[in-house]
Amino acid sequence: AQSVTQLDSHVSVSEGTPVLLRCNYSSSYSPSLFWYVQHPNKGLQLLLKYTSAATLVKGINGFEAEFKKSETSFHLTKPSAHMSDAAEYFCVVSTISGGYQKVTFGTGTKLQVIP
Amino acid sequence: GAGVSQTPSNKVTEKGKYVELRCDPISGHTALYWYRQSLGQGPEFLIYFQGTGAADDSGLPNDRFFAVRPEGSVSTLKIQRTERGDSAVYLCASSKGQGAWETQYFGPGTRLLVL
Repeated sequence: AQSVTQLDSHVSVSEGTPVLLRCNYSSSYSPSLFWYVQHPNKGLQLLLKYTSAATLVKGINGFEAEFKKSETSFHLTKPSAHMSDAAEYFCVVSTISGGYQKVTFGTGTKLQVIP
Repeated sequence: GAGVSQTPSNKVTEKGKYVELRCDPISGHTALYWYRQSLGQGPEFLIYFQGTGAADDSGLPNDRFFAVRPEGSVSTLKIQRTERGDSAVYLCASSKGQGAWETQYFGPGTRLLVL
């Protein structure tokens, strides 16, 4: 069994300040972890992924995330928020179960950026 | 190159009617997924194809939902006797293979409204 918990449904930050979106996961197997972003009326786009290589993963648009196995966390950060970062962000856990990929999405965190 | 495409982009139907939603994956991608995203929620897994066969259909909510991928490329999600609760955005994604690390590429979705 696997699950993903995104601890905040909404996060509001001022433009130019740091962003932290939290994600905790549960998995019986070694997971891969992803962050996707969904802008209004747009498709889901991959931000970054962890696949058991480096625990600190850098993605697009200045985002990064750190895999912490002891804390079962994969929090997303960005040093300085931009207005264009306003969107919904989904944390995703992926494992191989029964020989096939099994993917579970979190419920999402809506990021608001205040000018 | 071309991404994942879905048709129609919007579908309005009446309760009890039959609908078909189409997904064209990225050429060469063997894995194809269907998700359902209700308002304010994360994508919910429905079914996963590896090639022509449904490797995992555990997410289909009931027997009114069915999906096919006869030639291992295009897939159709079929919903019989639609109900108002079926209203949601239906997302399709494809990936190159079936490893846990595989990135899924999402289409823009089909917004289904059942009146």
